Amino acid sequence: NAGVTQTPKFQVLKTGQSMTLQCAQDMNHEYMSWYRQDPGMGLRLIHYSVGAGITDQGEVPNGYNVSRSTTEDFPLRLLSAAPSQTSVYFCASSYSSSSEQYFGPGTRLTVT
Amino acid sequence: GENVEQHPSTLSVQEGDSAVIKCTYSDSASNYFPWYKQELGKGPQLIIDIRSNVGEKKDQRIAVTLNKTAKHFSLHITETQPEDSAVYFCAEWGDRDDKIIFGKGTRLHILP
Repeated sequence: NAGVTQTPKFQVLKTGQSMTLQCAQDMNHEYMSWYRQDPGMGLRLIHYSVGAGITDQGEVPNGYNVSRSTTEDFPLRLLSAAPSQTSVYFCASSYSSSSEQYFGPGTRLTVT
Repeated sequence: GENVEQHPSTLSVQEGDSAVIKCTYSDSASNYFPWYKQELGKGPQLIIDIRSNVGEKKDQRIAVTLNKTAKHFSLHITETQPEDSAVYFCAEWGDRDDKIIFGKGTRLHILP
């Protein structure tokens, strides 16, 4: 099992550009989520999904979109990047919302 | 809304001594409390968790205690070793929704 994979590992964007952060898992987990990690702020939930076709907002959803067309994939879209979105982004998956979450290695995004 | 407060933000202990990290939460419906360890450059990894029907759980040098009345839970690491140096996050989940909310993290330094 590859577990949770994220691409790219690093990305630099200019303000206003768009991009998609990819996340995939091969553990047949129903629950997937996206977090951003900023110094001193811990892990903040952006969006989550309890299964294919279902997504919901977390604590800090503004500026981000998600979709869940398959169980395996949960991409995060930045429609118009802003410097405030400079952060490290983690994707996670788990059997359910109240079970062990498996985190990907992260994507470090810089918006200039 | 949901809130988890974690203290301290930084903790330094001598190798071999014990370390204690505390978290408080606000929602009485919370019933799942995991702890994650994050090493430099990696995603967080679950080290121990506890559910509300249990007051204490141990796994070798790591233990978690839960006081539902006071709405706080703590991570205890005994006989600390250099490899325990990392950032530790507490989290909570409740039946109200499917979100796991994380604390802001504690950076633990094990001094030689």
